Amino acid sequence: AQSVAQPEDQVNVAEGNPLTVKCTYSVSGNPYLFWYVQYPNRGLQFLLKYITGDNLVKGSYGFEAEFNKSQTSFHLKKPSALVSDSALYFCAVRPLFSNDYKLSFGAGTTVTVRA
Amino acid sequence: ETGVTQSPTHLIKTRGQQVTLRCSSQSGHNTVSWYQQALGQGPQFIFQYYREEENGRGNFPPRFSGLQFPNYSSELNVNALELDDSALYLCASSLHRDRGREDEKLFFGSGTQLSVL
Repeated sequence: AQSVAQPEDQVNVAEGNPLTVKCTYSVSGNPYLFWYVQYPNRGLQFLLKYITGDNLVKGSYGFEAEFNKSQTSFHLKKPSALVSDSALYFCAVRPLFSNDYKLSFGAGTTVTVRA
Repeated sequence: ETGVTQSPTHLIKTRGQQVTLRCSSQSGHNTVSWYQQALGQGPQFIFQYYREEENGRGNFPPRFSGLQFPNYSSELNVNALELDDSALYLCASSLHRDRGREDEKLFFGSGTQLSVL
């Protein structure tokens, strides 16, 4: 079975400060990892994904994520947060080589960036 | 905007009724996945359709069913609605390549908010 844990329900940071949203995963075999963001009354928007290769993945809107196989983590980061980054963030995983197309999401982390 | 459109945006039903939700996939995409997002939770996989056939299913009962049409649009049908079916239903389209699944990035619609009273 595959699963994602986002240990923080909420993250609060001041604008201009670094932002980190934590994610750990469990999956059989190699993981295919994603971060999505959800704004109020909107669907999920893709931020970035990790398949293989460089452990630091760069995505949309200045976000990046660091894959750590030994810690089974895929934390989302942004060096300097903006008020407009305030939203709900989801980490997701599925096995990389599998006929199982199910993408498993974490419960989400609400990010609030104060001016 | 992702190009994935869902209708209706909001729906109110009573327990025991049936509901049909619709999704038009992004141009060029051939696969549609449906997810249920209950309040305060992450999306839960319901099922996926590829080439008009169900291609993977999550832990949802048979009263959740779907269809995919030749133009790759899709419907989600829920029979005998229960109060716990109240949720945001998300449709996601993607491109499935027969030679591999490297590009299975999902593009989500804005969802249908279903309330069961």
